[in-house]
Amino acid sequence: KNEVEQSPQNLTAQEGEFITINCSYSVGISALHWLQQHPGGGIVSLFMLSSGKKKHGRLIATINIQEKHSSLHITASHPRDSAVYICAARKQGAQKLVFGQGTRLTINP
Amino acid sequence: ETGVTQSPTHLIKTRGQQVTLRCSSQSGHNTVSWYQQALGQGPQFIFQYYREEENGRGNFPPRFSGLQFPNYSSELNVNALELDDSALYLCASSLNVNTGELFFGEGSRLTVL
Repeated sequence: KNEVEQSPQNLTAQEGEFITINCSYSVGISALHWLQQHPGGGIVSLFMLSSGKKKHGRLIATINIQEKHSSLHITASHPRDSAVYICAARKQGAQKLVFGQGTRLTINP
Repeated sequence: ETGVTQSPTHLIKTRGQQVTLRCSSQSGHNTVSWYQQALGQGPQFIFQYYREEENGRGNFPPRFSGLQFPNYSSELNVNALELDDSALYLCASSLNVNTGELFFGEGSRLTVL
């Protein structure tokens, strides 16, 4: 079992829908990152969380430390949101970043 | 635009050769980490450098090595290339070694024949 698990692996939705991507982890962490990767490979950091909730535009990220779970929400989804979304956990007391396998999101017009 | 640049963007090598990949971080970012991403998979942590010293390593053999320079640039060296080394190699810099936001480069895609 991977230390960081994401669900779903693939998600297809219509433009305007509310999107939720989930991330569960089994280790103690000092921070959790949400990343976006477009075709071609470049990765953009969306959020870094150690507690609570963060919002940036139409994106919201939440984390529940007790339940070892984080979610990424996209409101009013748009085709340009189509990408792979990856959560990555920085293990407590270590420099190692452990990645989930990614969620491939496709938003259809 | 993250301010992190990697070179080369693409390269092809043959098995047994050696390769050096380069990363130029944002000014002031004293931490750089390197990742390997095989096709269709999530990135895997290779190692991290902080102030020119390696301070964390993933499950990669010693033929993967690195350097970080005072001018915020860094290198990933891979010796004795194997076919399975074919992947996208990403570097990321951050201002704070433990809790900083990560700024990724576009990656170097290596193909080993």
